[in-house]
This record gives sequence, structure tokens and C-alpha cells, in this order.
Amino acid sequence: AQTVTQSQPEMSVQEAETVTLSCTYDTSESDYYLFWYKQPPSRQMILVIRQEAYKQQNATENRFSVNFQKAAKSFSLKISDSQLGDAAMYFCAYRSAARTTSGTYKYIFGTGTRLKVLA
Amino acid sequence: DARVTQTPRHKVTEMGQEVTMRCQPILGHNTVFWYRQTMMQGLELLAYFRNRAPLDDSGMPKDRFSAEMPDATLATLKIQPSEPRDSAVYFCASGPDQGGMYQPQHFGDGTRLSIL
Repeated sequence: AQTVTQSQPEMSVQEAETVTLSCTYDTSESDYYLFWYKQPPSRQMILVIRQEAYKQQNATENRFSVNFQKAAKSFSLKISDSQLGDAAMYFCAYRSAARTTSGTYKYIFGTGTRLKVLA
Repeated sequence: DARVTQTPRHKVTEMGQEVTMRCQPILGHNTVFWYRQTMMQGLELLAYFRNRAPLDDSGMPKDRFSAEMPDATLATLKIQPSEPRDSAVYFCASGPDQGGMYQPQHFGDGTRLSIL
């Protein structure tokens, strides 16, 4: 069964600095999708960035980038030039590329990392 | 921007009462998900619908929970009878599923449920 692990329950970063949130996963599949969601205090889950496993190039979205290491099954999120608005819970998530026998895709979320941004 | 709409945003009720949470998925999205978020368990998948049919509800306690999609614009999650351990934030998400390229889920703002 697939698992997603976020080993850092909480992280802090100084405003304008860079922070990296770690995520590891376990799967026997060769093709899948990985993504990071942000959940601010407003509770809304916002997709930050996604990565297709078949792509070697790391995904980038403005100040957000990932370090995808497929062999190591690692998918870390780097936030550059941190801003106060980046303070939130961040969830790493996995989605299978192949359907299960019941026709679903597997969606697995990590337990989250709470990011604090210090002014 | 199109959004997933969930109601109510907050619900406080006494143990034993029936609770109904509603979700309006984004128009054109044919998959709908219900998640439960707690501090201890994180985000758990409760139910997974595609084209209004339940494909996976293995994460849902069957004795008291039920999920339905009476039509393409409405998904419901009911708890009867409710218990204090059901207190959590319940999220609905929707997404398109036509196979092929992955399309992300879009989440609603959640319903914070408190059972006294």
C-alpha cells in the first residue's frame, strides 16, 4: 500500500528566507503524481504545485519549487523569499496513475507540516 | 473562479442528532470526494464518487455514515446518530476524471463539525 510521510510536524522560517519542507512516500508503482497543498487558517485547501513522476524536471511555480528524487522516493517543497502569507499547514499528497480494480485512483495525504513565518 | 461550495461552514449539535453536510461540486466535474480532517489522523478519504456512483466508501464507518449524490450538483454526507468522536472538519472536493492526464482536485472550505 502507498504511504506518504511528512516527518516535520512544524517548521519556522524568517521572513524573506528560504525553507524546505520534506516529504517521503512509498509505492510500488512506476507512474504517479505528487503534489503539495497549502491550508491557511481559513481552512481552504489550495494546490501549490504538482509533479508528474515520469518527468525528470522539477516543477516550479513562482517562489515554490520541488526537489523530486524518484529513486529515493522523496518530494520536498522549497519556498523561497518566504512571506507572512505563506504561513499555513502544508500537505504532501500522492495520486496513483493507474486505476484500482474498482475504478478509483489512490489518493494519499501526509499528516501535514505547520509552517510559521517570523517577521 | 468556479468553487466547490460546502454548507454549513460550522455545525454544533448534541450527540445523537442527525447531521447532514452538503456539497455543490464545480460544474462539469464528475468526481466528488469526502474527506475528514482531524489532528490525530490528518486527512482521511471517506467516500469517492464518479459520475454520481460511489466507487469507494471503505474509509467510512458504515453503521452511522452515509454518502449520496442525488444529482450531479449535490453531494451529501450524513451522520446518524452523531457521536463526539465525529467532531472534525469535513471537506468535499471535486475534479474532472476523463482518464489520461491528471487533473487536480478542488476543495471546498470545509464544514467544522462539533458534537457535544
